[in-house]
Amino acid sequence: GESVGLHLPTLSVQEGDNSIINCAYSNSASDYFIWYKQESGKGPQFIIDIRSNMDKRQGQRVTVLLNKTVKHLSLQIAATQPGDSAVYFCAENINTGFQKLVFGTGTRLLVSP
Amino acid sequence: DGGITQSPKYLFRKEGQNVTLSCEQNLNHDAMYWYRQDPGQGLRLIYYSQIVNDFQKGDIAEGYSVSREKKESFPLTVTSAQKNPTAFYLCASSPKGTGGYTFGSGTRLTVV
Repeated sequence: GESVGLHLPTLSVQEGDNSIINCAYSNSASDYFIWYKQESGKGPQFIIDIRSNMDKRQGQRVTVLLNKTVKHLSLQIAATQPGDSAVYFCAENINTGFQKLVFGTGTRLLVSP
Repeated sequence: DGGITQSPKYLFRKEGQNVTLSCEQNLNHDAMYWYRQDPGQGLRLIYYSQIVNDFQKGDIAEGYSVSREKKESFPLTVTSAQKNPTAFYLCASSPKGTGGYTFGSGTRLTVV
């Protein structure tokens, strides 16, 4: 079903560690997935995306993995920095002929120096 | 620079008043969206518009209204029928097909 507001899980890491944020998506027909980063009091910002015909995509310090068998998406952040502290949302595009993203509940990442 | 602009950044409303939140984009995107975000929670869809002069209700449309008279603009009115309007409101836009949304910086609405 569609995502609804729930209290956020939190991942706490040390600076320099690698972080892995996980997301379970809902619809096997989804063809496009995006990770967003939201800092406090700001709008979400695009981080990285992946299409359903791929299982891995790399960006600068970030990697997204897609496992369609179990409908699971993950975001890996290498050498996590204090500036990475934010809430991270995954989103799936359920292709109805119109782009309408469904957002996950979000994970708060806290990076301590 | 192309982008999406929300105004005002902060808005205070007295109980019983209607208020309108502005959202303007110069990205030439066809679709626009309004989301509500409560503290520590995810995004909930209020209304969306695929094209000028057309819009559809999202998951929590009660107490809200929108218009889409111009491609660039998608204002949201929070009416007095919305019983718990205090929240962070986000506007977004997207092109046809996939490509993700571009979000505005949000409007924080507080009822006083």
